[in-house]
Amino acid sequence: DTAVSQTPKYLVTQMGNDKSIKCEQNLGHDTMYWYKQDSKKFLKIMFSYNNKELIINETVPNRFSPKSPDKAHLNLHINSLELGDSAVYFCASSPSLAGASGANVLTFGAGSRLTVL
Amino acid sequence: AQKITQTQPGMFVQEKEAVTLDCTYDTSDQSYGLFWYKQPSSGEMIFLIYQGSYDEQNATEGRYSLNFQKARKSANLVISASQLGDSAMYFCAMRGSTGGFKTIFGAGTRLFVKA
Repeated sequence: DTAVSQTPKYLVTQMGNDKSIKCEQNLGHDTMYWYKQDSKKFLKIMFSYNNKELIINETVPNRFSPKSPDKAHLNLHINSLELGDSAVYFCASSPSLAGASGANVLTFGAGSRLTVL
Repeated sequence: AQKITQTQPGMFVQEKEAVTLDCTYDTSDQSYGLFWYKQPSSGEMIFLIYQGSYDEQNATEGRYSLNFQKARKSANLVISASQLGDSAMYFCAMRGSTGGFKTIFGAGTRLFVKA
């Protein structure tokens, strides 16, 4: 059983389209995240949710709208896709929000590679 | 503001030798955690090792050890007895205790292990 699963693994789409990426974790974690990894491999946090509540929104354009229907799911919807949105999007989870302890290791999904043409 | 710096874009090491990957950080938090992750060419992110800011001993996990020098704000990863399968990107990361408890990542170091 995959701990953090993302779908789809690959997305190829045209500029201006809308797309969604889904994420589910079966670890019982309270906190979930979206990270974007660009072509230079730089990983940047986009959003974090704790028990369905938005905690971090890192100055992401409002074309990106995360939704957490329950604490096991965090989806990412992107409107009006642009060339610069091409990247690998990683979903991750951690047991809790607060604390910098080793218990709060991030468990990552396999990533979703988005290509905007 | 919190920051992680990895100054080595790429490193080469001979199989069976040890290698040190550098990481420095900046934070005003008193409590924080430092992590290393490995990303092989297949793309997944694999957690390797953790060091807490209050831990006095350097963390070790098998062939991985973390050389933590708090005063210098460095958290270098040491891989002993390198194997071909260690060829990958390695990311240093930090989780603070303020600012939403986000985990931020350095730019990464690509390690090449030579046979």
